[in-house]
Amino acid sequence: QKEVEQDPGPLSVPEGAIVSLNCTYSNSAFQYFMWYRQYSRKGPELLMYTYSSGNKEDGRFTAQVDKSSKYISLFIRDSQPSDSATYLCAMSALVLGRGSTLGRLYFGRGTQLTVWP
Amino acid sequence: NAGVTQTPKFRVLKTGQSMTLLCAQDMNHEYMYWYRQDPGMGLRLIHYSVGEGTTAKGEVPDGYNVSRLKKQNFLLGLESAAPSQTSVYFCASSVGTDLRVNIQYFGAGTRLSVL
Repeated sequence: QKEVEQDPGPLSVPEGAIVSLNCTYSNSAFQYFMWYRQYSRKGPELLMYTYSSGNKEDGRFTAQVDKSSKYISLFIRDSQPSDSATYLCAMSALVLGRGSTLGRLYFGRGTQLTVWP
Repeated sequence: NAGVTQTPKFRVLKTGQSMTLLCAQDMNHEYMYWYRQDPGMGLRLIHYSVGEGTTAKGEVPDGYNVSRLKKQNFLLGLESAAPSQTSVYFCASSVGTDLRVNIQYFGAGTRLSVL
């Protein structure tokens, strides 16, 4: 079992729809949760990150973390065609010192989203 | 403001050939990483470096070597390319994992085909 599971989709929605993207994980040590967006033939770019449980909102984007269920979500309100991309979740454990395995990010496989006009 | 720059952007190799992928970052980041991205597999860590002169193995290191002679550069080498190494390779860097969150910044990728 991979440490981070993410449904690869593809997900196709009309413009203006609310989009829900999700990941589950198995490692209870994860405390930092991130969402990266990757446009076609580009590198991933950080969209949002949250620490531990709770919600974080940034414009049309809301990230939620439920540590009790080991489940994270990204919601996109009023989706736009420009939101069409692959969304990757990533998570890492709190770093307490230096070492070769500390602070490593674990990525989901990514969900491909298409928003059509 | 270049960020993370990868060269080349595209390359086609024949089986058994060697090549080096170059990653350069201008953010004075301590940590650098090499990933490969394959359909259905997501991003997998090949090697990483926690500082100049240091390297460490990631999840899929076999068939690759790396070097970090200068803080701003991280090189990924393929000594004898195989078709299984056909992939998109991404370099990333981060300030350092001593800080609260390991935000990694990615380059645009190198598309490699091995025939």
